[in-house]
Amino acid sequence: GAVVSQHPSRVICKSGTSVKIECRSLDFQATTMFWYRQFPKQSLMLMATSNEGSKATYEQGVEKDKFLINHASLTLSTLTVTSAHPEDSSFYICSARETRGQETQYFGPGTRLLVL
Amino acid sequence: DAKTTQPNSMESNEEEPVHLPCNHSTISGTDYIHWYRQLPSQGPEYVIHGLTSNVNNRMASLAIAEDRKSSTLILHRATLRDAAVYYCILSATGTASKLTFGTGTRLQVTL
Repeated sequence: GAVVSQHPSRVICKSGTSVKIECRSLDFQATTMFWYRQFPKQSLMLMATSNEGSKATYEQGVEKDKFLINHASLTLSTLTVTSAHPEDSSFYICSARETRGQETQYFGPGTRLLVL
Repeated sequence: DAKTTQPNSMESNEEEPVHLPCNHSTISGTDYIHWYRQLPSQGPEYVIHGLTSNVNNRMASLAIAEDRKSSTLILHRATLRDAAVYYCILSATGTASKLTFGTGTRLQVTL
């Protein structure tokens, strides 16, 4: 099956620093990738849709200047949490959909961010 | 996005079949029905999806009601590794479609 990886799997940083999370589709090309955030005991919340070669589309209430998304190739999307604060601590998960237009999204294993 | 309704939790004994229900009375004609599951501290895992006809794969079966207003995910023989939160999600056809996760059903499997 299709595999999506994320790096790093967990990161601890100081308040005010920026953190970059990578999402890669390993065995397929993904025109569209998605970024989600999940707080403890809650469901996944879609943050933004990342399209290769164009600007990301953010969900309502998600600050685009704080969560920078770059989708420079068909296999890589990055999420940068800028000037992270403790309230940004969460489980960040990406997903990717094949370029062929399949309906299935494949999810990465997630990145746990802890901001001190 | 059309909403889905699932029970908050269900229990099953190991080696027995499990039927996880999902109601989606406002589904549109072009909405796909997706099922994903999430184990603790992991990203969601694709289980199965369908449009109108029942679907089978190595993980599960998806039974879709004739009016498409409900569906049932069937795990034929539950194992302890099937303990997870199961999400039933609708998405519109097309490359721009996105998944909106609800609260899902937490499945507990006991010996």
